[in-house]
Amino acid sequence: RKEVEQDPGPFNVPEGATVAFNCTYSNSASQSFFWYRQDCRKEPKLLMSVYSSGNEDGRFTAQLNRASQYISLLIRDSKLSDSATYLCVCGDDKIIFGKGTRLHILP
Amino acid sequence: DVKVTQSSRYLVKRTGEKVFLECVQDMDHENMFWYRQDPGLGLRLIYFSYDVKMKEKGDIPEGYSVSREKKERFSLILESASTNQTSMYLCASSFPGPTEGGTQYFGPGTRLTVL
Repeated sequence: RKEVEQDPGPFNVPEGATVAFNCTYSNSASQSFFWYRQDCRKEPKLLMSVYSSGNEDGRFTAQLNRASQYISLLIRDSKLSDSATYLCVCGDDKIIFGKGTRLHILP
Repeated sequence: DVKVTQSSRYLVKRTGEKVFLECVQDMDHENMFWYRQDPGLGLRLIYFSYDVKMKEKGDIPEGYSVSREKKERFSLILESASTNQTSMYLCASSFPGPTEGGTQYFGPGTRLTVL
C-alpha cells in the first residue's frame, strides 16, 4: 500500500458546485496533515493545515478521520480560480506528499 | 513574507555535464529540501538537510549530491547529468518538527533539460 494515496482525477466540476476529495494514508503514526495547492507550472503552496477537530477557511473545509486513515478537502461554491492540483501531505518525522488530484472548474 | 529563490527557472545542459542548482531562503529555516517532480510520479524527495553541513538521503538520491555550507543556502549537484534527470526541480524550506516540517515553502522551480 502506498504511503499517501489520492485519486489523480481530473475532477471536472461546474462552477458553483461543491466538490470533495479524499486522501488515504498508511502510517497510523502520522501526526500532521496538510493540503497544498499547485497551479499549472507553479510551485506547491500551502492551502491549509488539517486539524483533528476539522477546520474551515472560507469555502474550504478540511477533515481528518483517524479511524479510517484519511483526510478530506471540501470546496463549496467552486470558482474558476479553484482549478489546480491539490496535494495532500501526511507525516510524523517524515513528511510525505501525495501525487495530487487535478481539479478543473468548468464555466 | 517567506521567500525561497532558485538560481534558474530554465536550464539546458548536455549529458555528462556537472550541474549546480542553488536555492536560497530568507526565513532562517533549519530544514531545506530538494525534490524533483515528474508527470504521474508526483514530488519525490532527493535530499534534505536539517542543519548546516548536515544532509540526509531522500527517496531517490542516486546521481545527486548536495551541499549546505550556510543555513540559507542548499545546493543540488548533478555530478554527471543524464537524460533521465530531465525534470522540474523544486527546493523547499521549513522549520523543524512534525507540524512545522509539513509547512514547507517552495521555490519557483528549475526546469532542467538534459540533452
